[in-house]
Parts: sequence; C-alpha cells; structure tokens
Amino acid sequence: ETGVTQTPRHLVMGMTNKKSLKCEQHLGHNAMYWYKQSAKKPLELMFVYNFKEQTENNSVPSRFSPECPNSSHLFLHLHTLQPEDSALYLCASSQVGQGDGYTFGSGTRLTVV
Amino acid sequence: SQQGEEDPQALSIQEGENATMNCSYKTSINNLQWYRQNSGRGLVHLILIRSNEREKHSGRLRVTLDTSKKSSSLLITASRAADTASYFCATASYGNNRLAFGKGNQVVVIP
Repeated sequence: ETGVTQTPRHLVMGMTNKKSLKCEQHLGHNAMYWYKQSAKKPLELMFVYNFKEQTENNSVPSRFSPECPNSSHLFLHLHTLQPEDSALYLCASSQVGQGDGYTFGSGTRLTVV
Repeated sequence: SQQGEEDPQALSIQEGENATMNCSYKTSINNLQWYRQNSGRGLVHLILIRSNEREKHSGRLRVTLDTSKKSSSLLITASRAADTASYFCATASYGNNRLAFGKGNQVVVIP
C-alpha cells in the first residue's frame, strides 16, 4: 500500500448522475492534489490543496467540485459529466517544504456513459 | 506551465539490456523527478534530482541532469521484465509545489 488510498477503483456513471471520488492519505502530508490522466495526454493537474486550503484550480470545469475537509482527506464531487471526462483520476500527496516527491494513490478509473 | 517531454516515446528491449530515456523542459526548475506507472495504476516516485545536482543513483537507476541544456536522462541498467512500465519525468518550479508531467515513455522488457 502506498499510503494514499483512493476509492472506488472503478466507477461507471451516467451523464446525469452525481458521484464522489475519495482520497485518503496516511502519511501526515500537508498537501494533496487531483490529477486527470487521459489516453495519450500528459497528466493534467486539476486542483492543489495546501494545508486544507485550495491554492490552485487549473481551469477545471465546474462539474468537478473538490472538497478537502482536513489534511488527510480529499474528495472530488462529480455531476453532469461528459463522455470526454472518462479518464483515470489520480490523487497524490506531498510534504510541502521538504522537496520530496509525490505519493500517488492507485487511481479511480471513471467511465461516463 | 512547463512540461517535461520524454524521448523516445516507446522502447522495447531484451531483459538484461540497459534502457535510457531522455526528458527536456523549458524553464528554470527547482528539481526534476522520475516516476514509474504500471498499467492503469498510480505513479510511483523513483528518484528526485535537484537543480544543483548533476547525477544521482538509486539501485539500478541512474539519473543525470544538465540544466544548461534543460534536459535529464534516466538509465535503467540490467533491465528486468518487471521494469515494463511507463516512465514519466516531472519538473518542480521554485516557489510552488506543483509538478508538471511529460507524456511518458512506454518501456517493454522482453524476457
């Protein structure tokens, strides 16, 4: 286990559904991130949370809504998604100031039908 | 935002051979990192090299950084079938903790 747990591993949802992705880190890190990975594209940074505060929203459509209730948990709320939103959504955490790498979760494979 | 760009995009080698991947970037960096991703799973951090370092080793991995050319290379020596994965470079700038990733190299090690 990498120390970052993402649930669910797989999710199929219709365009009118509302669902949430969950991420939990057990590493005591103070920063968490959402990335989107689509086929044949670089990883796209979506959101950054430092010390529970959102410090970056990388022009993400409002149908994606993040929530960070504490430094260990991060959610991504989804509603009215489009088929092109189908992708692997990766959560990561890091310790700001230490200059170390990120620890990633295993991801949620999302399919929008 | 800057992004690492890996070259070559796909590499197929025999077990026991060495695999080399390159990464270029566009602007000044604080550090450069390499990650591995097995099919459909999360990324695993392999090694980090800081902007004032030129070479770093970790087991069978060797990373070099040339800040004058804005490029890095990752060498995997004596490759194993288990090294089959995608490899990404990522750059971190000064003043923020955001990582920018390249498109990745697909490496296949044939037993």
